[in-house]
Amino acid sequence: DSGVTQTPKHLITATGQRVTLRCSPRSGDLSVYWYQQSLDQGLQFLIQYYNGEERAKGNILERFSAQQFPDLHSELNLSSLELGDSALYFCASTSNPLAGNTGELFFGEGSRLTVL
Amino acid sequence: GQQVMQIPQYQHVQEGEDFTTYCNSSTTLSNIQWYKQRPGGHPVFLIQLVKSGEVKKQKRLTFQFGEAKKNSSLHITATQTTDVGTYFCAGRVMDSNYQLIWGAGTKLIIKP
Repeated sequence: DSGVTQTPKHLITATGQRVTLRCSPRSGDLSVYWYQQSLDQGLQFLIQYYNGEERAKGNILERFSAQQFPDLHSELNLSSLELGDSALYFCASTSNPLAGNTGELFFGEGSRLTVL
Repeated sequence: GQQVMQIPQYQHVQEGEDFTTYCNSSTTLSNIQWYKQRPGGHPVFLIQLVKSGEVKKQKRLTFQFGEAKKNSSLHITATQTTDVGTYFCAGRVMDSNYQLIWGAGTKLIIKP
């Protein structure tokens, strides 16, 4: 158990719909990352938050947005869904690597999104 | 942009054979991390290498970080079925955001 909780584990929806994925980081971790992993593919970095503020953006589509709340949980919103958005979405958290920590990422079990 | 190339994409081995995956970065890295993702699972941190030329071992796994801090490798001796999965490297870039740049992963497949 990594200590990172993601909900829902599975989600099936239709094209054009909107969904929200939720992530609770490990206790004390200020940094949250979102990744997309399509079937048998690598990890595509979407976005990072640190203590409520956006820190870095990757290949995140304009239809996707995210935020980190004061209690440090994060949500990834996916709208106008397309078939190609079907993937496993991982959240990961870490303590601040600049504070001398290893900065290893602790991943949740992922949310599997299927768009029909 | 900054990239970390990881090869091979797949490696099929007989149980008991060795396995190696390589990562090459387009830029000097602050450090490099390795993760393993079992089939159906999530990535799990294995190790971090920080120093130029560093070599670390975990049982049958040997991790190396190149002298120029641009390349790294993971070698598994005498593979076992429990080693099956995808191995990712992720390099930390020396910039203000300290970002991780991920390799595409190498999938280790054990031939029956």
